[in-house]
Amino acid sequence: EAEVAQSPRYKITEKSQAVAFWCDPISGHATLYWYRQILGQGPELLVQFQDESVVDDSQLPKDRFSAERLKGVDSTLKIQPAELGDSAMYLCASSRAENTEAFFGQGTRLTVV
Amino acid sequence: DAKTTQPTSMDCAEGRAANLPCNHSTISGNEYVYWYRQIHSQGPQYIIHGLKNNETNEMASLIITEDRKSSTLILPHATLRDTAVYYCIVSPMGYNFNKFYFGSGTKLNVKP
Repeated sequence: EAEVAQSPRYKITEKSQAVAFWCDPISGHATLYWYRQILGQGPELLVQFQDESVVDDSQLPKDRFSAERLKGVDSTLKIQPAELGDSAMYLCASSRAENTEAFFGQGTRLTVV
Repeated sequence: DAKTTQPTSMDCAEGRAANLPCNHSTISGNEYVYWYRQIHSQGPQYIIHGLKNNETNEMASLIITEDRKSSTLILPHATLRDTAVYYCIVSPMGYNFNKFYFGSGTKLNVKP
């Protein structure tokens, strides 16, 4: 069964350092989402891609966060510099098209110390 | 923007039916009710969705009240593996993930 792959599963970084997360969506899925999930809360959308284009990044803190999906396949989410409040689970999801069911990866658990 | 209200947590005995309520009193006519769950350390997983008729699939049943202001997700025979956070979401037709608001959900504890 095809899955959304994310790496790393866990990351510990010091504040003010740069950190990056990688996501490989299910093959053929044109839409890709990055979510942030703070412990005890539900996931919140950070950015949505349609192929290589950003559809919605209204909730992305652009002063420190960036996301790219250069070839419309895999995607990278970067934080620079990391802050203590960025400690969270970062989830990637993909769907065949916008407004179709999305499938989530297992996420990257980030701890900023 | 919270459009749904769910209890923070619930307990259920293994093998019994788990009934998870959701209040969505401000739901609009074109909004569907979606249920997702998130098992510890995994991403959310789709369970079921519906508009106004009751729905059933291999995972669960969804009962929506006639006025559509509330719904209940039913897991007919809960197992320990059903322990998870269950999210009730209302959204216009289509998945519109960029409009999904997951909220805090209900933590279901299935006990032996």
